Amino acid sequence: DAGVTQSPTHLIKTRGQQVTLRCSPKSGHDTVSWYQQALGQGPQFIFQYYEEEERQRGNFPDRFSGHQFPNYSSELNVNALLLGDSALYLCASSLANPIYGYTFGSGTRLTVV
Amino acid sequence: SQQGEEDPQALSIQEGENATMNCSYKTSINNLQWYRQNSGRGLVHLILIRSNEREKHSGRLRVTLDTSKKSSSLLITASRAADTASYFCATDRGGGNKLTFGTGTQLKVEL
Repeated sequence: DAGVTQSPTHLIKTRGQQVTLRCSPKSGHDTVSWYQQALGQGPQFIFQYYEEEERQRGNFPDRFSGHQFPNYSSELNVNALLLGDSALYLCASSLANPIYGYTFGSGTRLTVV
Repeated sequence: SQQGEEDPQALSIQEGENATMNCSYKTSINNLQWYRQNSGRGLVHLILIRSNEREKHSGRLRVTLDTSKKSSSLLITASRAADTASYFCATDRGGGNKLTFGTGTQLKVEL
């Protein structure tokens, strides 16, 4: 049973560029959430997708956008990258009502130079 | 913003000893979850305790929840070197919308 798959594992981008991160949820899960984790901090909620719609959003600027596809996979896009966007980006999948918790992927380490 | 804090920030113990980590949070919750993270990689779900539960066990893990004090504790008994990791508590306010994480406790278990 495949868990949550994220790609790529590592990424180096230049300030001002755009990046797309990808996530495939655990089999049977229909909801995908994205988190940003800065070094030494706990993960911070970016947004959540359910039925191809953004269901809730955290305190992140509009440069952060996402998409969910009919097969429940998801993308996170970040435009006009800043040095401060360097972080581990985590995808978590769950059922719409996550009574059993969330399953996280291994993350994408983004470095902005 | 973080929901709350974990205490201690770092903990170093010998193999075989017990490790206790505490988590405080700020708002009412539907449930509280504990996660483990190895070397800045993905989070592994350890245990979920609902707001109407006071204690829960899973293998060597014991979690308590005190909603009146808005606090939780995670006890790892008979620790092993493989338990070395960062541990995070996360609160879910319900509605299936998001988790709010604490600041984490770095646990080091030495041989």
